[in-house]
Amino acid sequence: NAGVTQTPKFQVLKTGQSMTLQCAQDMNHNSMYWYRQDPGMGLRLIYYSASEGTTDKGEVPNGYNVSRLNKREFSLRLESAAPSQTSVYFCASSPTRGDTQYFGPGTRLTVL
Amino acid sequence: AQSVTQLDSHVSVSEGTPVLLRCNYSSSYSPSLFWYVQHPNKGLQLLLKYTSAATLVKGINGFEAEFKKSETSFHLTKPSAHMSDAAEYFCVVSEAGTYKYIFGTGTRLKVLA
Repeated sequence: NAGVTQTPKFQVLKTGQSMTLQCAQDMNHNSMYWYRQDPGMGLRLIYYSASEGTTDKGEVPNGYNVSRLNKREFSLRLESAAPSQTSVYFCASSPTRGDTQYFGPGTRLTVL
Repeated sequence: AQSVTQLDSHVSVSEGTPVLLRCNYSSSYSPSLFWYVQHPNKGLQLLLKYTSAATLVKGINGFEAEFKKSETSFHLTKPSAHMSDAAEYFCVVSEAGTYKYIFGTGTRLKVLA
């Protein structure tokens, strides 16, 4: 039972490059989330998926897209990376809304 | 609108002394409240949660928190700090019936030998 897994752990991109961050959970949770963490700002919600087949914008969605591929997997795509997207990205899942969230280990992304 | 305020960005305590990390919240409805811990270069781990049952909530590793509605507070305490408690702690509020979780900006706990 791995919980929430994320790949890759680290990534360096040049401005304008694209990439996809992968997230998977094996707890049969309905809801999944993508956050970014920046120094002194806590975690901010980028997108969430209430259930398989649905996605919604969070607080800071600009520059990102998501796909809820199936119940287990929720990916985050940066189409044209910008230095402002340098951050640590966390994926989380929860059984349902308002319930305890379980977090992955994070992806540290640097955009040059 | 919901909000969470962690009153101290940094707290230093000596090993074996009590820990107090302060959190105030605002919420229009009955909130769920959480404390998470993040060790360096790791993900967030749940310490405890409040969901309108007992107002004193016990968590892992000897931590507990008391929900005080009149003071809109949910402070985290531990009777005796251990070196392994050095980490960043986040207070989080979730409004009932929504997918929105509001995170505080974190309190970095330093434990001195």
